[in-house]
Amino acid sequence: KAGVTQTPRYLIKTRGQQVTLSCSPISGHRSVSWYQQTPGQGLQFLFEYFSETQRNKGNFPGRFSGRQFSNSRSEMNVSTLELGDSALYLCASSLAPATDTQYFGPGTRLTVL
Amino acid sequence: KNEVEQSPQNLTAQEGEFITINCSYSVGISALHWLQQHPGGGIVSLFMLSSGKKKHGRLIATINIQEKHSSLHITASHPRDSAVYICAVSRGADGLTFGKGTHLIIQP
Repeated sequence: KAGVTQTPRYLIKTRGQQVTLSCSPISGHRSVSWYQQTPGQGLQFLFEYFSETQRNKGNFPGRFSGRQFSNSRSEMNVSTLELGDSALYLCASSLAPATDTQYFGPGTRLTVL
Repeated sequence: KNEVEQSPQNLTAQEGEFITINCSYSVGISALHWLQQHPGGGIVSLFMLSSGKKKHGRLIATINIQEKHSSLHITASHPRDSAVYICAVSRGADGLTFGKGTHLIIQP
């Protein structure tokens, strides 16, 4: 079974731009979660989707949004990028939300200049 | 105070030593996860547990729900075990809350 894939792996943007990151879960997994990892804050929960519905969202501004498609693939979008958005963005998929084992993708390294 | 506290933050040991990493949390949880992250960013889920003890190879994870504490043990440690070990808790619909991680270095 193929693992979780994320595209692109690396991205460089400038302040004010917007970015869309993509995550393809393991086949059969309907839950996708997104996380942000920075040296200062560590890993933080962004949002979780299950069957195309956002179940919950972490403490992030409205510039961070996401969606999930009928094939369980998910995208997250960050608008009006700020320098502080530079981070590793990880997605994880699982069979069921919240309490099931999560399988992480390799991440997208976003650099905002 | 973080909801999830890990200790130690950094640990250097010699190959073959028995390693213990601790995790304490302050809220009620539905499950606790131990994760491993190697340089470059990839994260692997090692254990998910809500009670008792689990073992996989040289790794053992225990949890005491009453004391809100979990430990990850590595027996016969090896340089390839060098990584960041992260404790995370799930609380129903709130997503995972993570500890700051323990940086482990095993020297040959």
